[in-house]
Amino acid sequence: AQTVTQSQPEMSVQEAETVTLSCTYDTSESDYYLFWYKQPPSRQMILVIRQEAYKQQNATENRFSVNFQKAAKSFSLKISDSQLGDAAMYFCAYRTPFTGNQFYFGTGTSLTVIP
Amino acid sequence: DVKVTQSSRYLVKRTGEKVFLECVQDMDHENMFWYRQDPGLGLRLIYFSYDVKMKEKGDIPEGYSVSREKKERFSLILESASTNQTSMYLCASGSQTGGSYNEQFFGPGTRLTVL
Repeated sequence: AQTVTQSQPEMSVQEAETVTLSCTYDTSESDYYLFWYKQPPSRQMILVIRQEAYKQQNATENRFSVNFQKAAKSFSLKISDSQLGDAAMYFCAYRTPFTGNQFYFGTGTSLTVIP
Repeated sequence: DVKVTQSSRYLVKRTGEKVFLECVQDMDHENMFWYRQDPGLGLRLIYFSYDVKMKEKGDIPEGYSVSREKKERFSLILESASTNQTSMYLCASGSQTGGSYNEQFFGPGTRLTVL
């Protein structure tokens, strides 16, 4: 089974600064999808950003961008100009096209934003 | 907007009780999922369903069963609740459409306490 590893259980960042959350995954497939989800305290999990494995260009959504390195099986999330509302648990996820759209999630990184 | 709703935000049950958690989605998604979320363990897949009356075991199906009688509704059943099933339960749904991201959309979660 695919595994997703988030090695940073907790991270903190000063407001307006930049922070990078790391994620690595293990797969033998060549085509797959990667996601970052955000779960604010006591609120619903929402999608932050997504990336297709065969796309070379790193995905960007406003202040959120990824550094996707396929050979290294790494998918880090960079949050620029951090805001208080970015404080949340962030989950990295992997989806294969071949198993009923099953997702594999990392254990999460809890991000604190310091005013 | 995709909406995934869960029948309860908070639930307290006694050991041995039969517990029903219900999830409804309004986007005609083929796939539905039940996860359990515990600190330090991330999201673990309990069961998923890719069609009405179809179900597949996830990583931790023991002690749980599911029912999908209608496309929009996916129920998780704890046949005889135990204290180690105290957890946050998340429901998600997603499309089966080939060749696209097919991200999962999550409900708000049910925090279940078994006494």
